[in-house]
Amino acid sequence: GQQVMQIPQYQHVQEGEDFTTYCNSSTTLSNIQWYKQRPGGHPVFLIQLVKSGEVKKQKRLTFQFGEAKKNSSLHITATQTTDVGTYFCRSGAGSYQLTFGKGTKLSVIP
Amino acid sequence: EAQVTQNPRYLITVTGKKLTVTCSQNMNHEYMSWYRQDPGLGLRQIYYSMNVEVTDKGDVPEGYKVSRKEKRNFPLILESPSPNQTSLYFCASSFWTDNSPLHFGNGTRLTVT
Repeated sequence: GQQVMQIPQYQHVQEGEDFTTYCNSSTTLSNIQWYKQRPGGHPVFLIQLVKSGEVKKQKRLTFQFGEAKKNSSLHITATQTTDVGTYFCRSGAGSYQLTFGKGTKLSVIP
Repeated sequence: EAQVTQNPRYLITVTGKKLTVTCSQNMNHEYMSWYRQDPGLGLRQIYYSMNVEVTDKGDVPEGYKVSRKEKRNFPLILESPSPNQTSLYFCASSFWTDNSPLHFGNGTRLTVT
């Protein structure tokens, strides 16, 4: 399946600071999805991006899909302790093999 | 309630003793998949199924078997478990593959000694 590189692997932030995780691909993606996994939980779907340059917001979360559809980012403004968890991107390119990035584990220091 | 149900949640077994992890979904999803999650390696796909009687290998299929005799069930079989299969396993389903969100089960933590 499509290979996506996700960075950083870990991020520690002070509560109130911003956080960004990136997913990069060497090939064009048809869409990208983002998931959040709380500690001890299972991944939960957050959002899907399909169009080139697309930007979507969910409260303090902003998701972007690059113009070339080869990269995406998830930005959290003013992190809270409830944002703790691992964030995964998943690439889709018309393949039945669904590829996840390795995830970014976010820790928030109160 | 729409959900993906995995059982058991926790399993400790010994090398070589066959085991099955069950997965069932009540959303009439066509697509089902198994993943294993290991520290630093993210979610790696083991097997997937596009429909009844249609299964295919993912990225790490060695040592695993699956079957899809009914649309709602997709069991994961370890014929002869080994310690390197100690991991957290997730079953997931979706209506289709590319544009549908995946719904995950709660996970099965397997320890093979």
